Amino acid sequence: GESVGLHLPTLSVQEGDNSIINCAYSNSASDYFIWYKQESGKGPQFIIDIRSNMDKRQGQRVTVLLNKTVKHLSLQIAATQPGDSAVYFCAENYNTDKLIFGTGTRLQVFP
Amino acid sequence: KAGVTQTPRYLIKTRGQQVTLSCSPISGHRSVSWYQQTPGQGLQFLFEYFSETQRNKGNFPGRFSGRQFSNSRSEMNVSTLELGDSALYLCASSLVVGDIQYFGAGTRLSVL
Repeated sequence: GESVGLHLPTLSVQEGDNSIINCAYSNSASDYFIWYKQESGKGPQFIIDIRSNMDKRQGQRVTVLLNKTVKHLSLQIAATQPGDSAVYFCAENYNTDKLIFGTGTRLQVFP
Repeated sequence: KAGVTQTPRYLIKTRGQQVTLSCSPISGHRSVSWYQQTPGQGLQFLFEYFSETQRNKGNFPGRFSGRQFSNSRSEMNVSTLELGDSALYLCASSLVVGDIQYFGAGTRLSVL
């Protein structure tokens, strides 16, 4: 498949372990954040979102944590599976304006 | 409900030509955004349309343009193609501006 990014930071984890992907966002006034997953040859796929009035939100096997003090967002994936291998992007939204995407992190899951 | 559909999936052009890419949003979505994705620059915002009006524009030259039709379908056009325009062009739709964006599979443009 096509390569999304040749120089992305990479996180390598063993199957079954938990993964934590971090993202620093740029605008302290951003009030809405989204995590996307992009597999090779596909467009980004919505995973989970969180609003600035929350500091944690849980989905199925995923948890997003928001620390507004240091403008930091993290995505935790429990019991990582080979199908989780992809590039993960965070995106921030300020004042209901356009989404601003981070550079992405490549997650590699090995058996 | 069908997802975002982009056509064509692959396109090969030569320098100097122009190209038109098409995007059909999810039914009911009125906002359509376009992005350029390259290995070196990541996801870069091109423009966003809502109700046939361009609401936001990224930092791209005037060779890149777009439009949205009354049925929310959108097209983007790149004129006088350059080698550096080779990229994956992604379209995303959302109910309204600033809402969750759902992406299509993209159009892979190669400029020779």
